[in-house]
Amino acid sequence: HEQLQVSGPGLVRPSETLSLTCTVSGDSFSNYYWSWIRQSPEKGLEWIGYIFHDGRTKYNPTLESRVSMTVDPSENQFSLRLTSVIAADTGVYYCAKEVGCDSRGCWTFDPWGQGTQVIVS
Amino acid sequence: AVQMTQSPSSLSASVGDRVTITCRASQDIRSDLGWYQQRPGEAPKLLIFATSILQTGVPSRFSGSGSGTDFTLTVSSLQPEDFATYYCVQNYNYPRTFGQGTKVEIK
Repeated sequence: HEQLQVSGPGLVRPSETLSLTCTVSGDSFSNYYWSWIRQSPEKGLEWIGYIFHDGRTKYNPTLESRVSMTVDPSENQFSLRLTSVIAADTGVYYCAKEVGCDSRGCWTFDPWGQGTQVIVS
Repeated sequence: AVQMTQSPSSLSASVGDRVTITCRASQDIRSDLGWYQQRPGEAPKLLIFATSILQTGVPSRFSGSGSGTDFTLTVSSLQPEDFATYYCVQNYNYPRTFGQGTKVEIK
């Protein structure tokens, strides 16, 4: 079973770029989709987007103009960049495995990393 | 985007109570729905996927039902560790969307 660990700055200035990295350990990184999700009291849980191990991405249309994701399969890492941040981007940022399957079917968002608080101020 | 509406937003219950939480989708999402539990300071944890399948290790007191637009999470006998916030999420299409959460508090 994978373990995910988020790392990155906890404080970002308005108009600057938020950058976070998620490191995956414990199981295979390749052939899976990896997601970023954020949570705030105002917006609740919000899916930001996913990246495949080969670099293919899909983003939430509400954030697409400011979001980019990259992947480094050699390090079992994927990263998030969110540009031109504003106070409304403050929240806890999580990474998660987008899709998992077994003989019973497929699920979304399991497991999750521990999350990291990012404050825009 | 598919809108997910949970009700109630919060409830008070006692240990041993049967608790039901509802999630309604703004369009037909077949059975592509999951339920998550989140305790304070922790990441959400997957309880149920595909509407009714318990993730490995989840106690059998949790169950899910529904299809189309209306879904239910039931806890048959609430335990102390079940006091938490519960979220539904649709994985029918993108963008994935979550319900706003139901906080289960101790009466």
